[in-house]
Amino acid sequence: AQSVTQPDIHITVSEGASLELRCNYSYGATPYLFWYVQSPGQGLQLLLKYFSGDTLVQGIKGFEAEFKRSQSSFNLRKPSVHWSDAAEYFCAVAAGQAGTALIFGKGTTLSVSS
Amino acid sequence: DGGITQSPKYLFRKEGQNVTLSCEQNLNHDAMYWYRQDPGQGLRLIYYSQIVNDFQKGDIAEGYSVSREKKESFPLTVTSAQKNPTAFYLCASSLDKQFDTQYFGPGTRLTVL
Repeated sequence: AQSVTQPDIHITVSEGASLELRCNYSYGATPYLFWYVQSPGQGLQLLLKYFSGDTLVQGIKGFEAEFKRSQSSFNLRKPSVHWSDAAEYFCAVAAGQAGTALIFGKGTTLSVSS
Repeated sequence: DGGITQSPKYLFRKEGQNVTLSCEQNLNHDAMYWYRQDPGQGLRLIYYSQIVNDFQKGDIAEGYSVSREKKESFPLTVTSAQKNPTAFYLCASSLDKQFDTQYFGPGTRLTVL
């Protein structure tokens, strides 16, 4: 069965420091991968997605992610974190028939210290 | 502005009562979804619909019901059979082509008193 693992429940990063959030997936074929961000009490906003092609994907707000098939990973990165990046981040995989719902990881909460 | 609206933002229910959560989209999307979010659990799929008058159960459909009479609307009813309904509920929609991006509404927080 498809699954997504986000190993880090909570991460604290200093403002201006770099960030990497980990995501590992389990799926036999080529996955379709997403990163979403959620501010407290809000809906989810798409940061970026990988469908095919270049394995380094650029997203909004200065985020990028790299798909590594050999490691079954899709880690999210940002070179310099801002206090406004504090939120919960979800990795998700789509698999199966068209229109099938996403499978989400349990999320990583990012805190930013000054 | 195009988007997904959910109402109400906060909802309180007494035990034993049914309650309906609204989800409307004006994105002309074919597919719509309901997810439940609990702290530390990520999002879990309740129901989804790829076309009007058709819907499929997700992973945690027990105690919930849906309808899809119009393309724009996908209401979720939380019935008294749902044993632990207090949660944050998120509606999403997407074009019905393979693996298209899902866009989310702002959510409804349901609390059972």
